Amino acid sequence: SQELEQSPQSLIVQEGKNLTINCTSSKTLYGLYWYKQKYGEGLIFLMMLQKGGEEKSHEKITAKLDEKKQQSSLHITASQPSHAGIYLCGADARGFGQGGKLIFGQGTELSVKP
Amino acid sequence: EPEVTQTPSHQVTQMGQEVILRCVPISNHLYFYWYRQILGQKVEFLVSFYNNEISEKSEIFDDQFSVERPDGSNFTLKIRSTKLEDSAMYFCASGGRGLAGYNEQFFGPGTRLTVL
Repeated sequence: SQELEQSPQSLIVQEGKNLTINCTSSKTLYGLYWYKQKYGEGLIFLMMLQKGGEEKSHEKITAKLDEKKQQSSLHITASQPSHAGIYLCGADARGFGQGGKLIFGQGTELSVKP
Repeated sequence: EPEVTQTPSHQVTQMGQEVILRCVPISNHLYFYWYRQILGQKVEFLVSFYNNEISEKSEIFDDQFSVERPDGSNFTLKIRSTKLEDSAMYFCASGGRGLAGYNEQFFGPGTRLTVL
């Protein structure tokens, strides 16, 4: 079965600093999702990547999927306290567009110090 | 902006009691899901629902669990006889084809179920 590993597990950065979170899959990724979760709350959809080499940005957050489609990174530029939370990567286990279940990594907890 | 809603936000029940968790998915979506997250653990898949039937279910989703889409708008998860280990945050998600043809999944805010 497919496994997703995120690194680091937790991260504390000073406001204004850049940071990167990684998500590595044991199998080829057919659809890689990034979500943000505040403690005890729901998952907020950030973006979804499907093609090798694809890169998407939303405000100061950029996500990339490597050419081999087994690793994704999430990069935050000039972090702000509002970026604090738990970042989850999820993978479509059956292939994108087929309505398949998502398998999730364990999450990366980000704290941003003012 | 359309969103998935869930009720109640928090449910406390006694072990052995039945609970029904409710969700209203995004209106034009075709795929519906339940996931759960035990405190401190990964979000894990329970069941997916498409075309008025279960399309996939996990090992967790045993005979004590059932799902229903009773009226074309609500999507419910029923646990017939709750156990202590059912205590978790339960998330409903709905999915539809995005502009690029892939399936986007949007999650609700969750129902925190506490079994005493």
